[in-house]
Amino acid sequence: GDSVTQMEGPVTLSEEAFLTINCTYTATGYPSLFWYVQYPGEGLQLLLKATKADDKGSNKGFEATYRKETTSFHLEKGSVQVSDSAVYFCALTLTQGGSEKLVFGKGMKPTVNP
Amino acid sequence: GAVVSQHPSWVICKSGTSVKIECRSLDFQATTMFWYRQFPKQSLMLMATSNEGSKATYEQGVEKDKFLINHASLTLSTLTVTSAHPEDSSFYICSARDLRRGTYEQYFGPGTRLTVT
Repeated sequence: GDSVTQMEGPVTLSEEAFLTINCTYTATGYPSLFWYVQYPGEGLQLLLKATKADDKGSNKGFEATYRKETTSFHLEKGSVQVSDSAVYFCALTLTQGGSEKLVFGKGMKPTVNP
Repeated sequence: GAVVSQHPSWVICKSGTSVKIECRSLDFQATTMFWYRQFPKQSLMLMATSNEGSKATYEQGVEKDKFLINHASLTLSTLTVTSAHPEDSSFYICSARDLRRGTYEQYFGPGTRLTVT
């Protein structure tokens, strides 16, 4: 079935370092791809998305490009801040029975030190 | 805008009892609400989808008699875990969307931690 695989932690970075969180997917058809972020004590928030191959989603300094040839949607940020310490979930949408469903990866929380 | 709340944020109950979790869309009307379950270091797993005024659609392997979902209004859905057992201890997350906005985007609540002793 359709699935999402994320790199697992722990990942510890210094402030202003480059962050990459890998995400690959398995899907029949052409899913839309998403990155969600969950800050402590809050619900998941949509960070960025891409709906077709070669689309690049970007928001708050984060970017991810939909790569159909490698079935990947890696999240990158050029200069992380302490405030970026949160849990990041990669996800895809699956259309079944006329409704769209989200399939999530396990999530990964980078620790950013000042 | 698009805020979803859950209540309680944390609950402990004894084995064999039932517990109800509420999910509310605070500033929009939710045509559809979703319930997810998350185990430690695992991804969110969709349990069921509910549309206002109709019965919930449960995912394969989810016991509908154990996890009762009610979506009686456009701003409230409830999940009742009946005859809870320690293996039901988990983090339950709801989300909501309003298809009338022309988007499939889901807005997530902060989650409810259930511990069954």
